[in-house]
Amino acid sequence: EPEVTQTPSHQVTQMGQEVILRCVPISNHLYFYWYRQILGQKVEFLVSFYNNEISEKSEIFDDQFSVERPDGSNFTLKIRSTKLEDSAMYFCASKAGGMNTEAFFGQGTRLTVV
Amino acid sequence: AQKITQTQPGMFVQEKEAVTLDCTYDTSDQSYGLFWYKQPSSGEMIFLIYQGSYDEQNATEGRYSLNFQKARKSANLVISASQLGDSAMYFCAMREPSYNTDKLIFGTGTRLQVFP
Repeated sequence: EPEVTQTPSHQVTQMGQEVILRCVPISNHLYFYWYRQILGQKVEFLVSFYNNEISEKSEIFDDQFSVERPDGSNFTLKIRSTKLEDSAMYFCASKAGGMNTEAFFGQGTRLTVV
Repeated sequence: AQKITQTQPGMFVQEKEAVTLDCTYDTSDQSYGLFWYKQPSSGEMIFLIYQGSYDEQNATEGRYSLNFQKARKSANLVISASQLGDSAMYFCAMREPSYNTDKLIFGTGTRLQVFP
C-alpha cells in the first residue's frame, strides 16, 4: 500500500540552526501539507501546497518557515533559524484531490531543538 | 470557540467491548467533512473513517462506525469489539471547504486504553 514517507524520524538541532524536514508524498497525490504537534497537544495546520505554490498557511508559518517541492517527488519543510518552541512532531500529509478525500499522513519527524 | 471538541481526555474499555469516543463540532458551513485519525504510541497518524455532511448514512469501516448526528453537531466514533491494539490517541478532525480551505482542524484527542 502506498504511503507517505518522512525523513529523518528524529532530528536534534541546536537553537539558531537551520533544519530541513523531508517528505515523499504518495506518488499520484496533488495536495501536500505540513502539520505539527507539540508534545501532548493537538495537531496544528502549518501550510498547504498545490500546483507548486502555497495555497494556505497558518499564523504559525512565519518567515522562518518555507516549503519546497524541488523535484516532483520530495516535499520539504525548512526552518531557517530554529527556536526552542519549534520542538514538536512534524507531519507531512498528502491527498489525491477533492474536498472529501482523506489526507494520508507520514509517520512524522520528531524535531528537538536544544 | 473551539471548532472541534473532544471532551474525554481518557477512556478505558475492556477487550471485546464497544466504546464510543465523543466529538462535537462547530461550523456554520453546510458542506463539511469529518474525519477520525488514530495515533498509536509510535506517533504516526492513521486515517480511520470519514463522514460527509451530506451523507445520509453513518459511515462504517470494519469495526469503526461514525454516529453522525447533524442537528446536534456530533460525530462520535464507535469502536466495536475492542482489541488491545486499539490503545492509542484518537483525534476527530473537520474540513470546511466552503471557506476556501482544505486544512484539517483537529480536536485535542482522546486517549483510549484497552485492558484485557
